[in-house]
Amino acid sequence: EVRLVESGGNLVQPGGSLRLSCAASGFTFSNYWMTWVRQTPGKGLEWVANINLNGDDQYYADSVKGRFTISRDNYMKSLFLQMNNLRSEDTAVYYCARGDRAGVTLGYFDNWGQGAQVTVS
Amino acid sequence: ETVLTQSPGTLSLYPGERATLSCRASQSVKSKYLAWYQQKFGQPPRLLIYGTSSRAADIPDRFSGSGSGTDFTLTISRLEPEDFAVYYCQQYAGSGQYGASPPYTFGQGTKLEIK
Repeated sequence: EVRLVESGGNLVQPGGSLRLSCAASGFTFSNYWMTWVRQTPGKGLEWVANINLNGDDQYYADSVKGRFTISRDNYMKSLFLQMNNLRSEDTAVYYCARGDRAGVTLGYFDNWGQGAQVTVS
Repeated sequence: ETVLTQSPGTLSLYPGERATLSCRASQSVKSKYLAWYQQKFGQPPRLLIYGTSSRAADIPDRFSGSGSGTDFTLTISRLEPEDFAVYYCQQYAGSGQYGASPPYTFGQGTKLEIK
């Protein structure tokens, strides 16, 4: 069974930093692109960032570029999101999600974690 | 950016009725890159449909998707009590040096509620 478990969500002051983690199990982690998606009541679901199989290629939403860094550790089967210079508008539930498979562009997310609440206030 | 607009915002129906949810894109979306998700309160989104019309694993056949270009539809043939939730469409427009920014966008959601 595919399982994604986020941790690290917290209350942080504006300008502060936070690091989210996502522990993966039940599949070959290194065979999949991984993604962070966030959700707010006001803006709905927003793609934040994704990372390729070996971690040397990353893409970011304009709203977080230069402040957030996505990374992964394939040995530990973990995904990370380092969030710096946090703003009130970053307040959201952050989901870790599984994306494209090696060599196959799927364009969707077939498994999601339960989410981590980040509150910037 | 490809903006997805879902309608209606809220749909009130009885169990057993047919539900038709719409997703309209601001520019053409490749059919293989249009997906639908279901979200219940306090839970993450769950993939229902990918590639416009393919059901994800364990999704019952009362869920179906159709459409092309800029107009896509999710249909639930006979509503079960567990189907009342929020539904989102999502598209992928390519990433990388020549891809879109952002590559993935979601609609704002349609809430399906019991009448």
